[in-house]
Amino acid sequence: DIQMTQSPSSLSASVGDRVTITCQASQDISNYLNWYQQKPGKAPKLLIYDASNLETGVPSRFSGSGSGTDFTFTISSLQPEDIATYYCQQYDNLPQTFGQGTKLEIK
Amino acid sequence: EVQLLESGGGLVQPGGSLRLSCAASGFTFSTYAMTWVRQAPGKGLEWVSVISGSGGSTHYADSVKGRFTISRDNSQNTLYLQMNSLRAEDTALYYCAKVKDYYASGSYPDCWGQGTLVTVSS
Repeated sequence: DIQMTQSPSSLSASVGDRVTITCQASQDISNYLNWYQQKPGKAPKLLIYDASNLETGVPSRFSGSGSGTDFTFTISSLQPEDIATYYCQQYDNLPQTFGQGTKLEIK
Repeated sequence: EVQLLESGGGLVQPGGSLRLSCAASGFTFSTYAMTWVRQAPGKGLEWVSVISGSGGSTHYADSVKGRFTISRDNSQNTLYLQMNSLRAEDTALYYCAKVKDYYASGSYPDCWGQGTLVTVSS
């Protein structure tokens, strides 16, 4: 199975800050990498697909980059409604695997 | 608007069985693969199973292979997960999700239901 290592596991930042989360795959997954947001008590929501494409309706402050084994997720200016846990996910191979998640809090 | 409504969760003893259902609406059900993903209490996301649009292709996580069976009824727009020989470690919130494409592999979940809770305990 492909292991996805996400960091940090938790993050505290202020409104307006630039926030970056990284995800590393245990083998080359090309750009078959997605980012999901999960707010407390809610289902995950797709934000970024194919490493860098913004899902329809998602604010442009969210972005993603990377290919191969190293990927980055960025929130350009943190908003209060962005409080959530963020997961990366690879779909290059089955079983699809997720990172362990990054819990984002407001400082 | 895509809507996915899971049901069938509950408390079951170890070794028991449950069948989860997911009623879909807002899209042409038979043209998309569907998947189950679970989340143990306070833990991360774990992919469980996927089925192609026709139902002819299925895949499972090793942790559930031989115990769980995914199926679908395209005439009823409903996805199922038959869970047998349940273990304590199967306790989780089970999400059904629509997959971006028709095929069971090479694609990903793009819309999720709200989940149904399965608790395996004596």
